Amino acid sequence: GAGVSQSPSNKVTEKGKDVELRCDPISGHTALYWYRQSLGQGLEFLIYFQGNSAPDKSGLPSDRFSAERTGGSVSTLTIQRTQQEDSAVYLCASSLVPIEQFFGPGTRLTVL
Amino acid sequence: GESVGLHLPTLSVQEGDNSIINCAYSNSASDYFIWYKQESGKGPQFIIDIRSNMDKRQGQRVTVLLNKTVKHLSLQIAATQPGDSAVYFCAENRLVTGYALNFGKGTSLLVTP
Repeated sequence: GAGVSQSPSNKVTEKGKDVELRCDPISGHTALYWYRQSLGQGLEFLIYFQGNSAPDKSGLPSDRFSAERTGGSVSTLTIQRTQQEDSAVYLCASSLVPIEQFFGPGTRLTVL
Repeated sequence: GESVGLHLPTLSVQEGDNSIINCAYSNSASDYFIWYKQESGKGPQFIIDIRSNMDKRQGQRVTVLLNKTVKHLSLQIAATQPGDSAVYFCAENRLVTGYALNFGKGTSLLVTP
């Protein structure tokens, strides 16, 4: 079956521009997560959605970051007025249970 | 603050040897500890988890040991193969705070022929 997919795989943008990153989770998975991975670092939790509950936004680093999950499926992570420190790989995961999360390949964001 | 961290950033082993990857943690309230494997250019992949009330769990070629006294977690890989070369992350979860995983920085495992 299909895994988690993310698009684009790579995104280069200029400082100050807005970007949208897309995640298609595994069908039927109720939970969806966004993480950020900087070069040579571990994963930093950003936000997660669980069913129809309000999302846990506790990991978002600033109000320039936001995310939506439409119809309990596809999710979009939006970064407004991008800064160079936003450069990282943005990983999306989905799961039925919190322990075993299935990750997509990530979107590599480069802010010039 | 609370953290999950790793003792060594890199580990090199010969094919066929056993590998041991270590992880220290500081949060005693964790419910689960999990190991993920990340190959170059890919997202992390779940390997094995252990509940906090256990001290050992075995999978296929892998064993996770949990020592709550010293807050230490290890992943043992038997008969390491070239395909095991990757970065390994330990992570922890506290169900009461939600579904997010708290990841450590990772250990790079290199398997040489």
